[in-house]
Amino acid sequence: DAKTTQPPSMDCAEGRAANLPCNHSTISGNEYVYWYRQIHSQGPQYIIHGLKNNETNEMASLIITEDRKSSTLILPHATLRDTAVYYCIVRVANRDDKIIFGKGTRLHILP
Amino acid sequence: KAGVTQTPRYLIKTRGQQVTLSCSPISGHRSVSWYQQTPGQGLQFLFEYFSETQRNKGNFPGRFSGRQFSNSRSEMNVSTLELGDSALYLCASASGSQETQYFGPGTRLLVL
Repeated sequence: DAKTTQPPSMDCAEGRAANLPCNHSTISGNEYVYWYRQIHSQGPQYIIHGLKNNETNEMASLIITEDRKSSTLILPHATLRDTAVYYCIVRVANRDDKIIFGKGTRLHILP
Repeated sequence: KAGVTQTPRYLIKTRGQQVTLSCSPISGHRSVSWYQQTPGQGLQFLFEYFSETQRNKGNFPGRFSGRQFSNSRSEMNVSTLELGDSALYLCASASGSQETQYFGPGTRLLVL
């Protein structure tokens, strides 16, 4: 089973920041939080990942709470091309690594 | 760098046939993972190969098998196809077994 919980869908107005939440209350100390997105019928696209500290790249920012039990992916200025299913994944960082995808959040960007 | 490539992109087969899908990872990547995506079950992990060895396996029947070659290219084989095997099959590569995975465009398989 997936170790993350995400809302099934969200709406965001174009040009606004999209904040996508993810709960991972059973996360272990050596597990990273990864975010991917999948635009219809394409392969998932890597967005960002982090362990404890907040992270930012050209695509998004990742805010991880201090207790690491939840995180938020922020797309600062959403565009119509950001319409996709966003997956939050907790990845076990050991030899028996296995990625388990949940259902993700379907983000609709409204014009 | 070129991304992950998968061939063929689309495939139609009939029940009982077998199929082989191919994945070429990003240059320098040694880990290749395979996933099956269906509308009902979502994205499910099939197996991972690293340096020609299977490192991890999901909960799929033995009809699903794979291998990795010395150049890190990987193939996935499904024997005795069933209607329920219709899916998007995705391949992802990473530089190491614990590194960030990058996905290919997928092979869409339709079993009639």
